[in-house]
Amino acid sequence: DAGVTQSPTHLIKTRGQQVTLRCSPKSGHDTVSWYQQALGQGPQFIFQYYEEEERQRGNFPDRFSGHQFPNYSSELNVNALLLGDSALYLCASSLVGQLTDTQYFGPGTRLTVL
Amino acid sequence: DAKTTQPPSMDCAEGRAANLPCNHSTISGNEYVYWYRQIHSQGPQYIIHGLKNNETNEMASLIITEDRKSSTLILPHATLRDTAVYYCIVSVGGTASKLTFGTGTRLQVTL
Repeated sequence: DAGVTQSPTHLIKTRGQQVTLRCSPKSGHDTVSWYQQALGQGPQFIFQYYEEEERQRGNFPDRFSGHQFPNYSSELNVNALLLGDSALYLCASSLVGQLTDTQYFGPGTRLTVL
Repeated sequence: DAKTTQPPSMDCAEGRAANLPCNHSTISGNEYVYWYRQIHSQGPQYIIHGLKNNETNEMASLIITEDRKSSTLILPHATLRDTAVYYCIVSVGGTASKLTFGTGTRLQVTL
């Protein structure tokens, strides 16, 4: 049973550039959530996708956008990168309709902005 | 989502039980208690969750007080591989809601 996968593992970009991160959910899951984790902090919720639409959004600017594909995989796009966007980006998947919607996390993508 | 309070750090000797406390005094009746842990630079790992009854799985036990205002995660026989940051989170179940992480408890298991 495949778990949540993310690509790439590491990424280095410069300020002002754009980046796309990818996530494949756990087999059988239909919902993808994205989190940002700065060094020394707990993960912070960015947004969640279900049925190819953004369902919830945290306190992140419009530079952060996403997409969910018919196969439930998802992308996170960040435009006009800032130094402060350097973080571990985590993807979590879950299945809507289950009593507790437990979210399972991928290994993350480490983004460094120079 | 209700907020949680956890001690910033704890130590435990290998082979002993690790008891990690969490306060969630403003928890609502429909909110579950979740525990995740994060080993350095990896994605958070789901451990266990519960509503009001005590729960046990192959990883840990979760004890929730009768008034649901606090809980304890128990790792019965801690090993060095259990060294991690442990997060206690309360979240409404059934809605795929977001998880609100605090700063967690850094558990250090020592020989």
